[in-house]
Amino acid sequence: IQLTQSPSSLSASVGDRVTITCRASQGVSSYLAWYQQKPGKAPKLLIYAASTLESGVPSRFSGSGSGTDFTLTISGLQPEDFATYYCQQLNSYPPTFGPGTKVDIK
Amino acid sequence: QVQLQESGPGLVKPSETLSLTCTVSGGSISGYYYFWIRQPPGKGLEWIGYIYYTGSTNYNPSLKGRLTMSVDTSKNQFSLKLRSVTAADTAVYYCARINREQWLIPDCWGQGTLVTVSS
Repeated sequence: IQLTQSPSSLSASVGDRVTITCRASQGVSSYLAWYQQKPGKAPKLLIYAASTLESGVPSRFSGSGSGTDFTLTISGLQPEDFATYYCQQLNSYPPTFGPGTKVDIK
Repeated sequence: QVQLQESGPGLVKPSETLSLTCTVSGGSISGYYYFWIRQPPGKGLEWIGYIYYTGSTNYNPSLKGRLTMSVDTSKNQFSLKLRSVTAADTAVYYCARINREQWLIPDCWGQGTLVTVSS
């Protein structure tokens, strides 16, 4: 299953609302996760099952969608949120990742 | 608190075998599934495969034929061997433990280790 993400990059300011879209080439039900990755670090799980917030992740992160279309929203961007975000489908083996969306400072 | 740590050579010659080990500390390796992913420099993430503490495995078909994963419960370690490597196998390799409650969702990561394939 191929995943596409849009945009591939975006510039935003602290406090902005940011939305990242992930589209699957075929339906993945709700078996979708979102990760945040900073340079030199392992990916950090933000959301799984499309909309379930991982423990310890700030509530400004939210996920929605099912089937083929998903979104990750950051409501009120914070300085520590500047990073690359990846979606991952877990419906079909092997799990695949989207190409990433880089969020940087405007 | 469980921690995972990758180890292995940082440089491998083309056509040789890349070997990495992930050591589980702070807890037993038993009862969990573990996976490997990799990330070429400046690029995205690729799933490699997973292994259960009993030794059962499931690999990414794109790597099948070159890949072997194994586990050594006596050492609290699991390993990856990738044969006939090329420059395309240059990447940061991460190991992770799979959450018991959510299939294929990680609950603990290694820090990653860079492996460069070059003569």
